[in-house]
Amino acid sequence: NAGVMQNPRHLVRRRGQEARLRCSPMKGHSHVYWYRQLPEEGLKFMVYLQKENIIDESGMPKERFSAEFPKEGPSILRIQQVVRGDSAAYFCASSPPGGSNQPQHFGDGTRLSIL
Amino acid sequence: DAKTTQPTSMDCAEGRAANLPCNHSTISGNEYVYWYRQIHSQGPQYIIHGLKNNETNEMASLIITEDRKSSTLILPHATLRDTAVYYCIVREWGRGGSARQLTFGSGTQLTVLP
Repeated sequence: NAGVMQNPRHLVRRRGQEARLRCSPMKGHSHVYWYRQLPEEGLKFMVYLQKENIIDESGMPKERFSAEFPKEGPSILRIQQVVRGDSAAYFCASSPPGGSNQPQHFGDGTRLSIL
Repeated sequence: DAKTTQPTSMDCAEGRAANLPCNHSTISGNEYVYWYRQIHSQGPQYIIHGLKNNETNEMASLIITEDRKSSTLILPHATLRDTAVYYCIVREWGRGGSARQLTFGSGTQLTVLP
């Protein structure tokens, strides 16, 4: 089984540009989570999605950030008008439907650098 | 979710067992204990989880005290590749079929020494 796939692994953007981060969950997983890890800090939850639905976005910044998980295709985390403070590692995790004690499995992240 | 307390760092000799403690004194009856680790520049890796019984898999063993207020992750024969930050996380069993996010603390930096 392929694990959680994230791309790109590294992304460089200039201030004001848009960043799109993609996440393909493990096969059979319909729950997707996005986390952000700032330099020298722990992971912070951003958003939890199921197919075509945002379940919990309590960790998402109010502006410039959005996420989707369409019926077909990967989940997308979109950051508009990026600023230097958006530089971080962004991790996606997935878990299967059904039992909510199922562990989340993480991808290796996208390292976003803002020039 | 209940708060967890872990030592900041630990060392372990290669080939010996690594015992990583975690306190979760405010844990409630419907909260599971999860362990993850993060090797530098990689995504967190799931290790093991449990509710109240001890658990073992190919990676580690999880010992949960009878009162569930603390637990210990045991890596039976630590190798240099086990050097990582280990996170103990308590998460509520989700209501209505929805799963909850994980809340990561600072974890324990385990260094396996040759």
